Amino acid sequence: GAVVSQHPSWVICKSGTSVKIECRSLDFQATTMFWYRQFPKQSLMLMATSNEGSKATYEQGVEKDKFLINHASLTLSTLTVTSAHPEDSSFYICSATSESSYNEQFFGPGTRLTVL
Amino acid sequence: QKEVEQDPGPLSVPEGAIVSLNCTYSNSAFQYFMWYRQYSRKGPELLMYTYSSGNKEDGRFTAQVDKSSKYISLFIRDSQPSDSATYLCAMSVGSNYQLIWGAGTKLIIKP
Repeated sequence: GAVVSQHPSWVICKSGTSVKIECRSLDFQATTMFWYRQFPKQSLMLMATSNEGSKATYEQGVEKDKFLINHASLTLSTLTVTSAHPEDSSFYICSATSESSYNEQFFGPGTRLTVL
Repeated sequence: QKEVEQDPGPLSVPEGAIVSLNCTYSNSAFQYFMWYRQYSRKGPELLMYTYSSGNKEDGRFTAQVDKSSKYISLFIRDSQPSDSATYLCAMSVGSNYQLIWGAGTKLIIKP
């Protein structure tokens, strides 16, 4: 089946620093990748949708200058949390679709970010 | 009112029981319905995918969609402790449209 990896799986950083999270589709070309945030005991919250080679589309309320998304190739998307603060601590999950259907999303294992 | 409502639980049942998980929705335009399973500190994995109304069975899992009532269900037969996870429903109006997620129901299967 389609496999999506994320790196790192967890990261702890100091307030004010930037953190980059990678999302890779290992055995398929991902035309679209999605970035979600999930707080404890809550559902997934879509942050942005990115298509290879174009700018990401951010959901309302998500700061595009704070959460930088780059989808440079069909197998790699990165999310950079700039000037991270404790309230950015969360579980960040990416997903990818292999065809022109958003419904069959393949999820990565997630990255747990803790900002001290 | 949220577009998709799902009881967060937790729902605790003994091993071997039949489990019923449900979601209700308000948008009658939804046509694609999915159930995902998420283990703790892991990404969700797709369990069932249905289009429009009706039932779909896959092993111990049965997904049911009742569009007239705007109600979807996931049944798990012969539940196992390994089924303990959070189950999320998701739906969309079309295959290229954003998924709308339920809050997820935490399921605990007691040995």
